[in-house]
Amino acid sequence: GDSVTQMEGPVTLSEEACLTINCTYTATGYPSLFWYVQYPGEGLQLLLKATKADDKGSNKGFEATYRKETTSFHLEKGSVQVSDSAVYFCALLLGVDYKLSFGAGTTVTVRA
Amino acid sequence: NAGVTQTPKFQVLKTGQSMTLQCAQDMNHNSMYWYRQDPGMGLRLIYYSASEGTTDKGEVPNGYNVSRLNKREFSLRLESAAPSQTSVYFCASMEGTARDGYTFGSGTRLTVV
Repeated sequence: GDSVTQMEGPVTLSEEACLTINCTYTATGYPSLFWYVQYPGEGLQLLLKATKADDKGSNKGFEATYRKETTSFHLEKGSVQVSDSAVYFCALLLGVDYKLSFGAGTTVTVRA
Repeated sequence: NAGVTQTPKFQVLKTGQSMTLQCAQDMNHNSMYWYRQDPGMGLRLIYYSASEGTTDKGEVPNGYNVSRLNKREFSLRLESAAPSQTSVYFCASMEGTARDGYTFGSGTRLTVV
């Protein structure tokens, strides 16, 4: 079935460091891909998305490119801030019922 | 503010008790979803409703029932709560074209003792 695998955490970084969270997917068709972010004590918020191959999603300094050849959608940010501390989820959406399949989540902690 | 509203935010139940988690959206979305979030397991789909009047099982439906009361509301019921149902529950909705993914509620943290 359709599934998402993302790198395990937790990840701890210093402020201004570079962040990469790997995400790969398995799907029978051509899914839309998403990154969601969950700040402490809150629900999930859409961070960025890409709906077809080679699309680049971007928001709040984060970027991810839909790579069909490697079935990947890695999340990157060049310079993280303490406020980026959160749990990040990669997800794919496919099918007529539009069910999102989530990765396990990666906890990121940024220290000042 | 427009969005998805979940109630209650926190709940403690004793084993065997029943309760209903409420969810309402005011964005005129067709599809609604219930997920549970457990450490290290991401979010798992419990039930979903692709449109008003329809409901379907997700990945982990056992022990739960749902009702799509109208287009706005989608409730999740635990008939006889078990400690394994201790989790954070999220409701979500989505507009028809799916181009923006889901909008999530803020969650219900449920503890079953």
